[in-house]
Amino acid sequence: KQEVTQIPAALSVPEGENLVLNCSFTDSAIYNLQWFRQDPGKGLTSLLLIQSSQREQTSGRLNASLDKSSGRSTLYIAASQPGDSATYLCAVRSYGANSKLTFGKGITLSVRP
Amino acid sequence: DTAVSQTPKYLVTQMGNDKSIKCEQNLGHDTMYWYKQDSKKFLKIMFSYNNKELIINETVPNRFSPKSPDKAHLNLHINSLELGDSAVYFCASSQGPPSGRNTGELFFGEGSRLTVL
Repeated sequence: KQEVTQIPAALSVPEGENLVLNCSFTDSAIYNLQWFRQDPGKGLTSLLLIQSSQREQTSGRLNASLDKSSGRSTLYIAASQPGDSATYLCAVRSYGANSKLTFGKGITLSVRP
Repeated sequence: DTAVSQTPKYLVTQMGNDKSIKCEQNLGHDTMYWYKQDSKKFLKIMFSYNNKELIINETVPNRFSPKSPDKAHLNLHINSLELGDSAVYFCASSQGPPSGRNTGELFFGEGSRLTVL
């Protein structure tokens, strides 16, 4: 059974800092990995999706990497801003017709002005 | 032009009542999902439909019954509501199950917050 872990559960950093959010998963047989952002009381916004054959994806100040063999992914946020404050969730997608997305519990990020 | 929309956004009801949450997507996707986010913010899949056919049914009480009248809609009906059903329910959609032709990227609705008193 796939398990996704995100540690720590919460993180507080000063504005401008570069930071790395970690995600680990137990079963390396994944189809892809997706990073989401969730603001309080809102839905999930997809940030980046990395296919199992890829090593990284970039979007603006965000860079996500994937090391399937070790069961790890990182989300790198450059030059953090208060507007980046949110909960960041990592989710892995299994193969097959019954494919499902298994989520971590998320990391709540607070960027202090 | 909301991609995945859910109604209602908030629902407050008494124990024992029956309620429904509706979901619609205008992305032309084949697959839709219901996820439950509990008080600890943990997201867990409940159901998935592909082309109106149930393909994932996690261990969910049979008081929960999904219905997909067409590919663009997936509704969730809950009978005999219990206190523990209080949560945020998210609908999502993807182009289809992962294959060489699509990424399986999921798009989520804004959520429906259910409070059972």
